Amino acid sequence: GEDVEQSLFLSVREGDSSVINCTYTDSSSTYLYWYKQEPGAGLQLLTYIFSNMDMKQDQRLTVLLNKKDKHLSLRIADTQTGDSAIYFCAEITGGSYIPTFGRGTSLIVHP
Amino acid sequence: EAGVTQFPSHSVIEKGQTVTLRCDPISGHDNLYWYRRVMGKEIKFLLHFVKESKQDESGMPNNRFLAERTGGTYSTLKVQPAELEDSGVYFCASSRQGPTGELFFGEGSRLTVL
Repeated sequence: GEDVEQSLFLSVREGDSSVINCTYTDSSSTYLYWYKQEPGAGLQLLTYIFSNMDMKQDQRLTVLLNKKDKHLSLRIADTQTGDSAIYFCAEITGGSYIPTFGRGTSLIVHP
Repeated sequence: EAGVTQFPSHSVIEKGQTVTLRCDPISGHDNLYWYRRVMGKEIKFLLHFVKESKQDESGMPNNRFLAERTGGTYSTLKVQPAELEDSGVYFCASSRQGPTGELFFGEGSRLTVL
């Protein structure tokens, strides 16, 4: 199976909250990232969390990490049409030091 | 500051032909990475340069793929001969402080092998 798993699609209404989930397999993950890819653009780092943290908040973004379940989530409050993009979860483990990416979740925001 | 640029943005070739993809990293970034995304699948790591040296090439699929970074500036990724399964989007990324820092990605080069 994949090292980092994400669901492929999420559709939300403008103004609602979005929650994008990610599960990973390696318990030695040290850094976990969320990257965003807008149409026609490269991936951009959105936020990250160290493995010794449970939560990180940055304006409309909240990252939650459950190390026991190897589950990472990204919550976007008051989702806007400009948030429509593909969101990639990525991890770095103690052994590799190279980010491993998931397949991305396409967030579709409709009015 | 210019971002990571990749060329070409899209290439369509026939099976058995050769294609060379180019990546210009952000100036001053010693670390350069190549990744590939096959449609609908995860972004898979191919290799990592530190300056002109290959630090990790464990993700290179086979010897039809050759990556170079002469002089530690731009990098090329050559596929010769191309096969159908090589189709996908090839992303280049660069970073200043190594893999644990932020990676800056190019827009990708879409390769279609017919």
